[in-house]
Amino acid sequence: DAGITQSPRHKVTETGTPVTLRCHQTENHRYMYWYRQDPGHGLRLIHYSYGVKDTDKGEVSDGYSVSRSKTEDFLLTLESATSSQTSVYFCAISDTSGSHEQYFGPGTRLTVT
Amino acid sequence: GNSVTQMEGPVTLSEEAFLTINCTYTATGYPSLFWYVQYPGEGLQLLLKATKADDKGSNKGFEATYRKETTSFHLEKGSVQVSDSAVYFCALRDQGAQKLVFGQGTRLTINP
Repeated sequence: DAGITQSPRHKVTETGTPVTLRCHQTENHRYMYWYRQDPGHGLRLIHYSYGVKDTDKGEVSDGYSVSRSKTEDFLLTLESATSSQTSVYFCAISDTSGSHEQYFGPGTRLTVT
Repeated sequence: GNSVTQMEGPVTLSEEAFLTINCTYTATGYPSLFWYVQYPGEGLQLLLKATKADDKGSNKGFEATYRKETTSFHLEKGSVQVSDSAVYFCALRDQGAQKLVFGQGTRLTINP
């Protein structure tokens, strides 16, 4: 299994509070991604990173920001959480070799009350 | 833009039945195609892949063939087991891109 961990694994927070989710990899892969998974929508890309300090938006980036100060860590921040951000969040990594398949972390279940 | 369409679930089968989950795609170039599986409470795992037309990906008894003429990548298994119960996602990565585009997922339940 690819070395990807996510923390926390579960979180309950109140509307309006800031939340930061962390993704940590031990594979030294260049690319890292944040997705959210919601029923009926599959996985939707929030933001991704193609190197340290290099990030770009995905299809559902509003309300989210990211940072990558080290190769191994990719942080996802909800500046002011809303109930619509209740979801399961997955981190993924990929490298530039082969078919660029992505490897996923175990997920973080976030509930905004 | 690129998109992936999967057959709607949920799909319920009996053990040892034949499985097909349909996947069709729209892409501007020559994409790589993937099937991922998600077991309850876990993240997605790569099940199989194909990178060019007529390639067949296979793993754990599952197969899928990259059909460019029908823009399809249907997942098949000859005899399913209860342990195959999961959600299956079809995905594509367009040529030169680093992002995956996922279908909406198909929930599969196998009854003993």
